[in-house]
Amino acid sequence: KAGVTQTPRYLIKTRGQQVTLSCSPISGHRSVSWYQQTPGQGLQFLFEYFSETQRNKGNFPGRFSGRQFSNSRSEMNVSTLELGDSALYLCASSGKSDRGLSYEQYFGPGTRLTVT
Amino acid sequence: DQQVKQNSPSLSVQEGRISILNCDYTNSMFDYFLWYKKYPAEGPTFLISISSIKDKNEDGRFTVFLNKSAKHLSLHIVPSQPGDSAVYFCAASARYSGGGADGLTFGKGTHLIIQP
Repeated sequence: KAGVTQTPRYLIKTRGQQVTLSCSPISGHRSVSWYQQTPGQGLQFLFEYFSETQRNKGNFPGRFSGRQFSNSRSEMNVSTLELGDSALYLCASSGKSDRGLSYEQYFGPGTRLTVT
Repeated sequence: DQQVKQNSPSLSVQEGRISILNCDYTNSMFDYFLWYKKYPAEGPTFLISISSIKDKNEDGRFTVFLNKSAKHLSLHIVPSQPGDSAVYFCAASARYSGGGADGLTFGKGTHLIIQP
């Protein structure tokens, strides 16, 4: 099976702009989660989508949003970029059951976002 | 407030010996624990997991031990190999009784260096 893919791999944006990142989960996986990794804060949970619905959300401002499509592909959007948004954004998919059990999450390679 | 702590930022072990990575957690709602391995410029790779109903899970050279009363888990790698050199993250999740689960909460990671 192909792994989780993320596009683009690298991105440079200017403060105030907005950005959209894309994630394609492992075939058959219906849950997609997004994480932000920074040197200071480590890996932090942004949100999780399951069957096109946001099921869980981490402690991030409303500038961070996402959506999931019927084919389970997901996008993450950050509006009004700030310098502190520079990070590695990781997407993970899992084969969650309808009961929502936490199965293992499989990560993509990430998108490195630099805000200048 | 860090709910998952990896108190050793780095660990150096000789090739062929046992590597023991430790992780402590504070949230008693966590009931599923995972270990991930991460190389630079790549997403985390799932290694092994354990549910709170167990106290040990083995997969080849990797064994995870869970001590619920102490809120402590550890990852043992035996024997350690040069390719094991990477950053290891401990992660935890809480499942809701009504279905669904929190995203993963990660520790800050331990950089394992295997010396020849």
